[in-house]
Amino acid sequence: GQQLNQSPQSMFIQEGEDVSMNCTSSSIFNTWLWYKQDPGEGPVLLIALYKAGELTSNGRLTAQFGITRKDSFLNISASIPSDVGIYFCAGQFYNTDKLIFGTGTRLQVFP
Amino acid sequence: EAGVAQSPRYKIIEKRQSVAFWCNPISGHATLYWYQQILGQGPKLLIQFQNNGVVDDSQLPKDRFSAERLKGVDSTLKIQPAKLEDSAVYLCASSFELGMNTEAFFGQGTRLTVV
Repeated sequence: GQQLNQSPQSMFIQEGEDVSMNCTSSSIFNTWLWYKQDPGEGPVLLIALYKAGELTSNGRLTAQFGITRKDSFLNISASIPSDVGIYFCAGQFYNTDKLIFGTGTRLQVFP
Repeated sequence: EAGVAQSPRYKIIEKRQSVAFWCNPISGHATLYWYQQILGQGPKLLIQFQNNGVVDDSQLPKDRFSAERLKGVDSTLKIQPAKLEDSAVYLCASSFELGMNTEAFFGQGTRLTVV
């Protein structure tokens, strides 16, 4: 099945550091969504992006919708232990709202 | 506002048995998705409904998987017969309406183990 390319696959950082992850696709998307998934839980929506070039923040999180509509990135500033989890990007097609997920970035934060 | 409800949370069955999962989307949400998430991977779309009609089921293994959303609200996903490789978390998600910049919200999932 179709999945988006997400990198890096995993990150091990120290508390207080900034984090950046990105997602690329061969397809053009109408919407980009970023989710966080904790063990044993479903993905929780963090940020939604609707327009090419859009830059949106949610607290310490900032995400951008790439100009080509084929990529997006997520930044987390001043990481804290509760940021630990798996982060997924997801692209949504125009018209059908079909939602395709990335391969995930596993984030570990050490005190 | 109540979130997406799924049941059961966990299920263990033997291979070749049948199993069914249930999903109740957020009230008023017309679009419903079922995803399969194998350990260590991202969710893979199985089927997408708009009300009680199928929008996309291109990745649904139709020889053993079936899904329905008869009244455009609740949905069930069935596997018959199950194989070992069906062990995964099955996630249900819903969103408000097609083509309206809508975000999808997920349930907690059902963890299926086939032995």
